Amino acid sequence: DAGITQSPRHKVTETGTPVTLRCHQTENHRYMYWYRQDPGHGLRLIHYSYGVKDTDKGEVSDGYSVSRSKTEDFLLTLESATSSQTSVYFCAISVEGGGTDTQYFGPGTRLTVL
Amino acid sequence: KNQVEQSPQSLIILEGKNCTLQCNYTVSPFSNLRWYKQDTGRGPVSLTIMTFSENTKSNGRYTATLDADTKQSSLHITASQLSDSASYICVVSPPSSGGGADGLTFGKGTHLIIQP
Repeated sequence: DAGITQSPRHKVTETGTPVTLRCHQTENHRYMYWYRQDPGHGLRLIHYSYGVKDTDKGEVSDGYSVSRSKTEDFLLTLESATSSQTSVYFCAISVEGGGTDTQYFGPGTRLTVL
Repeated sequence: KNQVEQSPQSLIILEGKNCTLQCNYTVSPFSNLRWYKQDTGRGPVSLTIMTFSENTKSNGRYTATLDADTKQSSLHITASQLSDSASYICVVSPPSSGGGADGLTFGKGTHLIIQP
């Protein structure tokens, strides 16, 4: 699992409340990502980071913000959760080697917004 | 728009049998193509990575092939086991991704069930 943990693993919240998901890695990799996975869709990139305080938007970034104040932690925040943000969220890191990079994914966080 | 289409959506086979999963993509040019295995309730795990110049890559009972001319890839599973039950995801990466991986295009996956 390349030393990736996500917390919480499960969360149920109500519409309009703020939610923060945490991704933690133990190996100081530069690149970290947040994806969401929904039935009928492939994994979709929300935001990614290429270093401390360096982040950029992905394909489905609306309604989400991220922060990375330390190499090992990448936080995903839903400022005001909506039912459309009910999903499984995966954090990932990239490990470079042999001319290509391999992504390793965390165990996921299942978020339900009522 | 870059797309990755996988077929079939789902597949049920008996333990011990072989199967082949398909992936067609429109990403062009591309840097590499990956196959991931995702067990229920877990994150995807990389099975194979092939660059545009490679035709085949094996990982145990898993063999991936790539035809860059037809933009098709397949994942062949030999002598299936119950533990092979999972979703298999095809992912294509354009040349600009590098370590950023922000341009990855994910297929929706094939859900494979192995029955005893």
